Amino acid sequence: QKEVEQNSGPLSVPEGAIASLNCTYSDRVSQSFFWYRQYSGKSPELIMSIYSNGDKEDGRFTAQLNKASQYVSLLIRDSQPSDSATYLCAVIGDSGGSNYKLTFGKGTLLTVNP
Amino acid sequence: GAVVSQHPSRVICKSGTSVKIECRSLDFQATTMFWYRQFPKQSLMLMATSNEGSKATYEQGVEKDKFLINHASLTLSTLTVTSAHPEDSSFYICSARDFGNNEKLFFGSGTQLSVL
Repeated sequence: QKEVEQNSGPLSVPEGAIASLNCTYSDRVSQSFFWYRQYSGKSPELIMSIYSNGDKEDGRFTAQLNKASQYVSLLIRDSQPSDSATYLCAVIGDSGGSNYKLTFGKGTLLTVNP
Repeated sequence: GAVVSQHPSRVICKSGTSVKIECRSLDFQATTMFWYRQFPKQSLMLMATSNEGSKATYEQGVEKDKFLINHASLTLSTLTVTSAHPEDSSFYICSARDFGNNEKLFFGSGTQLSVL
């Protein structure tokens, strides 16, 4: 059973702080990793994708991947109240092939307090 | 980014009726679409993979006769919940791969199904 684990939270940070979201996965051969943001009642929105070890930065967001530890994280700098949402970690369990099936974690609820 | 259109956004129906949900890729062709279901405060669970011109592939535990999937064109997949019951009430979300955009997966806006 391929699993993606996240701390469900809620994670509460003050406005302007750094929010750190963590995710671990069980399938060692996983190749592709994604962070999605989901507002209540809405569908997920892709925030970041990362495929190789190390850091990947995009604006206020930084994704970090450590395949040896089977760990992926998302840092949000200068957190804003509008960042308040559930953040879903998603993993493709194999090389992707023709299916591209994502396995999602349960998500971490982030609240940014003004 | 690529746009995936899903409708209706909300459906309320009586128990025993069938409900059809449409998923369209608006600016790209999608040979593969995915259907997910999400219960409150739970993660997205993949129900089935919809392949254009062939039968859908269902995940374990998903009844193919209850959740009918048709992917007749490169831009349209439909999910029909047949003889819906209250336990089928959920948030249904489709997604599609855009081969022209690093094969990224884009989601439709979701359909909230409530079966009375």
